[in-house]
Amino acid sequence: EAGVTQFPSHSVIEKGQTVTLRCDPISGHDNLYWYRRVMGKEIKFLLHFVKESKQDESGMPNNRFLAERTGGTYSTLKVQPAELEDSGVYFCASSQSTEHMVNEQFFGPGTRLTVL
Amino acid sequence: RKEVEQDPGPFNVPEGATVAFNCTYSNSASQSFFWYRQDCRKEPKLLMSVYSSGNEDGRFTAQLNRASQYISLLIRDSKLSDSATYLCVVAPAGNNRKLIWGLGTSLAVNP
Repeated sequence: EAGVTQFPSHSVIEKGQTVTLRCDPISGHDNLYWYRRVMGKEIKFLLHFVKESKQDESGMPNNRFLAERTGGTYSTLKVQPAELEDSGVYFCASSQSTEHMVNEQFFGPGTRLTVL
Repeated sequence: RKEVEQDPGPFNVPEGATVAFNCTYSNSASQSFFWYRQDCRKEPKLLMSVYSSGNEDGRFTAQLNRASQYISLLIRDSKLSDSATYLCVVAPAGNNRKLIWGLGTSLAVNP
């Protein structure tokens, strides 16, 4: 079974440019999460989709970040315009949907974003 | 104060040693607890969940002390392949899918 995949694996852009990250969750996983790790800091939650709906977007840093999951399959995270502090590794994770349990979140390999 | 605190290490131990990692969390209402493992430049992977009664998986033992808001991970008979960063992770009550992460503890097992 294929795991969570992310594209691209690396992205180097200049400040002010736009970047779109893509995540394909494990097939059948309704829950999709985005996290970010800035160098030297903890992994931080960004947002959580259940199917195509945003369940929790409390971790989104500001309105330069836009996440979508049209159709409830893959998700995109767009940063526009990118700033230097947006550099880091963006992880996507997915999990099955179970009402009363915290299911394991499976992580993708991450996209390493560098903003110059 | 950080929500989840860990000693970043690094811990350098010889093969076969027993090593313990500790973690404290600030939200007393936290509901679920995990240890994740992350190899260099790889994604985090779930090592084990941590239950109130404590749990064991082979050479790994996890303990939870809710009164002290403290979680531990014990690795016995360390292998070279155990070298990685170990991340303490907490899910808060009411939103048990939003994971709160510690900075991680780096372990190097030496031959």
